[in-house]
Amino acid sequence: DVKVTQSSRYLVKRTGEKVFLECVQDMDHENMFWYRQDPGLGLRLIYFSYDVKMKEKGDIPEGYSVSREKKERFSLILESASTNQTSMYLCASSTAGKLGGYTFGSGTRLTVV
Amino acid sequence: GNSVTQMEGPVTLSEEAFLTINCTYTATGYPSLFWYVQYPGEGLQLLLKATKADDKGSNKGFEATYRKETTSFHLEKGSVQVSDSAVYFCALSDDYKLSFGAGTTVTVRA
Repeated sequence: DVKVTQSSRYLVKRTGEKVFLECVQDMDHENMFWYRQDPGLGLRLIYFSYDVKMKEKGDIPEGYSVSREKKERFSLILESASTNQTSMYLCASSTAGKLGGYTFGSGTRLTVV
Repeated sequence: GNSVTQMEGPVTLSEEAFLTINCTYTATGYPSLFWYVQYPGEGLQLLLKATKADDKGSNKGFEATYRKETTSFHLEKGSVQVSDSAVYFCALSDDYKLSFGAGTTVTVRA
């Protein structure tokens, strides 16, 4: 069964901490994405990557960075966590082109206190 | 730029009722259109898709038709079940990025 795996389901971090969210896919997909999901706002794209070591900013990249050293792994980094980054974070992957859909991970619920 | 607008929820229905969730889009090109579903405590799953005008996507009793003239992709199901309670997201893609609507929460009561 193909999947996208996010390393943590729930995470609690303190303000100012550096936070790493990990995502691994086993489908050999070229594209990987990080979204955050907030009530009433839907999903907002933080960063995406269309190839190893390539990254592009999404709609809300401020306060975040990413790393893609291997094709199957895409990491989201919160350089200095703040309370307004408390959210559900969703990782997804897809094949190249517009015809395929995304495969999503189960999400990481991050709380910054 | 691309955008998706879907009807606000929450929507509460009785079992066996008819469900419609409206979705309209704005896009510069010829996008593919999708409906995703998120069950409680889970990530998003692809429900159905349509890649060109007049295509109908269908899955699990749900249907949606790509209407270019009205820039719409409304989701319908003729007889809902309690297990259809979820958040539904309309989305479009004209390259490799997806743009999502805000989501519509649907609750089906027995």
